[in-house]
Amino acid sequence: QQQVKQSPQSLIVQKGGISIINCAYENTAFDYFPWYQQFPGKGPALLIAIRPDVSEKKEGRFTISFNKSAKQFSLHIMDSQPGDSATYFCAANTGTASKLTFGTGTRLQVTL
Amino acid sequence: NAGVTQTPKFRILKIGQSMTLQCTQDMNHNYMYWYRQDPGMGLKLIYYSVGAGITDKGEVPNGYNVSRSTTEDFPLRLELAAPSQTSVYFCASSRSHTLAGGGADTQYFGPGTRLTVL
Repeated sequence: QQQVKQSPQSLIVQKGGISIINCAYENTAFDYFPWYQQFPGKGPALLIAIRPDVSEKKEGRFTISFNKSAKQFSLHIMDSQPGDSATYFCAANTGTASKLTFGTGTRLQVTL
Repeated sequence: NAGVTQTPKFRILKIGQSMTLQCTQDMNHNYMYWYRQDPGMGLKLIYYSVGAGITDKGEVPNGYNVSRSTTEDFPLRLELAAPSQTSVYFCASSRSHTLAGGGADTQYFGPGTRLTVL
């Protein structure tokens, strides 16, 4: 049973544009929502994370928006750059042994 | 710090063969994890460990075994390789203490092992 649904599967954005990736979760016990970035041939790396006590978190060009009542959260990449081209995974955690449930991933391509 | 290291990087197995994927971390993390990544499926948790001598099943444990004799090492064993185990395998680790207010800590991933079973 998939507990974190991610969309879209792939995304093409022009340089300088805004990339938006959405995730929805089912389990209200989740209390930590990270986004991981993965480049080809590499392992995922933490990009940004949010906890449910805030509605937004911003780090540079990356922002997480969190809607607890709708059980949804999204990643916004402002001023997208070709170097942002990667696969992005949302995830959620229940706090038990820090285990993560991952979304299926979004392949982002930023074109010139 | 090297972080999380995995060996080998690539491996081709024949059906029925066995092998061990190695994972080592030098961050003194208590928590360690094994995931498999298949195209379009995200990462699925195979096994995890909360400390030396303690392991537990994740979402997709069938066909795999693990052990945790030290804090640093968390090997994954495939006993009878099957084509369905063709995948990219990632090991990860994290601290065991939680941040103030609860919740999870960052998982640090290794570079992965690409396994093909023919």
